[in-house]
Formats: sequence, C-alpha cells, structure tokens
Amino acid sequence: QKEVEQDPGPLSVPEGAIVSLNCTYSNSAFQYFMWYRQYSRKGPELLMYTYSSGNKEDGRFTAQVDKSSKYISLFIRDSQPSDSATYLCATENYGGSQGNLIFGKGTKLSVKP
Amino acid sequence: ETGVTQSPTHLIKTRGQQVTLRCSSQSGHNTVSWYQQALGQGPQFIFQYYREEENGRGNFPPRFSGLQFPNYSSELNVNALELDDSALYLCASSWRQGGDTQYFGPGTRLTVL
Repeated sequence: QKEVEQDPGPLSVPEGAIVSLNCTYSNSAFQYFMWYRQYSRKGPELLMYTYSSGNKEDGRFTAQVDKSSKYISLFIRDSQPSDSATYLCATENYGGSQGNLIFGKGTKLSVKP
Repeated sequence: ETGVTQSPTHLIKTRGQQVTLRCSSQSGHNTVSWYQQALGQGPQFIFQYYREEENGRGNFPPRFSGLQFPNYSSELNVNALELDDSALYLCASSWRQGGDTQYFGPGTRLTVL
C-alpha cells in the first residue's frame, strides 16, 4: 500500500463548478498536510498547509483533514480556467530532526470555459 | 515566485554519463531537499541537506549525491546515468529541517538517452 493515494484523474469540469480533490494516507503519525498546484513544466506551488485535523480556507480554496479516516480534501469554489493544473496532495514524514514530503500521484484538473 | 532557482532548465545526457544539477535556495533557508518527479508521478524524496550536512535520504542509490554550500546554493550529482533517471528534478528550500513549508524551484528536466 502506498503511503499517499490519489486518483490521477483526469478531471474535467465546466467553469464555475465546485471541484473536490481527495487523497488518503496510511500512517496515522502524519501531522502536516499540504496541497500543491503544478502547472505544466513548472515546479509545485504551495496552495494550502494544514496541521492536524480540521478545515482551512483561503479565498476560493478550502482544505480539509480528517485524521480519523486518514482522508484529506481540497475544494475549489467557482473554478476558473486558470485553475487547470495538476494538484498534488502531500504529507510530511517528520521525525523531529528531518522532514521529507510524501506526495500522491497528482490529479490533473481541466476547467473548461 | 518562491525565490528558489534551478539550472539548467533542460539537459540531455547519454547512459553512463555524469550530471550536476544546481539550486539556489531562498535567502535564509538552511535546508534544501531534492526530489525526483517521473512523468505522471508525484515527486519522490531523494535527500535533504541541513547546514551543509546530509540530513536524511530516500530510497535512492549512492550514485545520487549532493552538496550544500554556505551561500544557500546546492548541487545534485548523479553518476552512471541510467535511462530511468530521466525525470524532472526539483529542489525545495525551507528554514527548518521539518514541520516547515518547503518552497520548490521550477525544476531541471533531465533526459537520458
């Protein structure tokens, strides 16, 4: 079982739709969770960073972490064509003196005008 | 813009050759991590350097090595290149070794023929 599972899609939605992106993870010790956006041929750009369970909102983006079910979600409201990108969920394997990110495969999102 | 830069942008090498990729971290960031992203996959952790010492390593063979310099620059060296080494190589900088946001550069795309 992979440590972070993410459906690679692709996912295609019309402009203005609400988008739901999801990941599951296997290790209950993970505490930090991130969503990165990656445009074609670019490096990942941090969208949301959350610690432990709960919701975090930033403009049109909401990140949710449910540690009881080991489930993380990203919601995009009023999606725009400029949101078309690959979305990567990640968690951090943090051992107190070193932390490395563990990524899902990424979900490719296309928002059609 | 994260302030993390990488060079070169693209590189083509042949099997068996050696390659050096370079990264310039954000000013003040003591930690640099390197990731390999194969096509259609999420980034995979190679290793992390903190204050010029290797501080953690993923599941990569010793022919992957690195250096970090006091001026916030770093290198990834790969010896005896194999076809499977073709990927996007990303560096990410952060202030702390863990529990901290990692900011990615745009990556170097390496093609091994």
